[in-house]
Amino acid sequence: QQPVQSPQAVILREGEDAVINCSSSKALYSVHWYRQKHGEAPVFLMILLKGGEQKGHEKISASFNEKKQQSSLYLTASQLSYSGTYFCGTELPGSSNTGKLIFGQGTTLQVKP
Amino acid sequence: NAGVMQNPRHLVRRRGQEARLRCSPMKGHSHVYWYRQLPEEGLKFMVYLQKENIIDESGMPKERFSAEFPKEGPSILRIQQVVRGDSAAYFCASSPTSGRTEAFFGQGTRLTVV
Repeated sequence: QQPVQSPQAVILREGEDAVINCSSSKALYSVHWYRQKHGEAPVFLMILLKGGEQKGHEKISASFNEKKQQSSLYLTASQLSYSGTYFCGTELPGSSNTGKLIFGQGTTLQVKP
Repeated sequence: NAGVMQNPRHLVRRRGQEARLRCSPMKGHSHVYWYRQLPEEGLKFMVYLQKENIIDESGMPKERFSAEFPKEGPSILRIQQVVRGDSAAYFCASSPTSGRTEAFFGQGTRLTVV
């Protein structure tokens, strides 16, 4: 039931781009993306609600393919502040009224100068 | 508007003692979620509460763990007779509605059982 994220880890140079994928074996109601820095709380990035929806926040955007039960997070022109662990949290149709999230195992992103 | 407040930030308990973790949601939020995170792992859902009600406790261990969200005061996650395997970071999140909305996380309580 846990979504699978790929890659597990990625190292970038400042200014490079990265894509983080999140795949589920179950139909999805929504996908939530969070970033967590070591020892800190997860910080909300964005939520995707509709099939094929794409959202953006500055240089971070995401897509949600409801049919394929997949979401991807796109980080363009990465900055040092993007370093951290990225989690996708999935909401399943059966839990659509609770907000309960099933999180992936995380993707660790390290941006180097 | 203060964020989600959790205390204590760090808690050390000896095996067999009780641990009480507190979470005050953001103002205006009546939906509270507890997640557990083991080192180098993702967040695992434990329980979802609204004021005075447990809505979904499918992620809670059957024994020793309990949660409440009283009409007044913070939500409490209680772990009785702690064991070494309970050592983890426990995060609380709150949201203004249930489902398909942003959840705000607290800083977490890091429980160490010695």
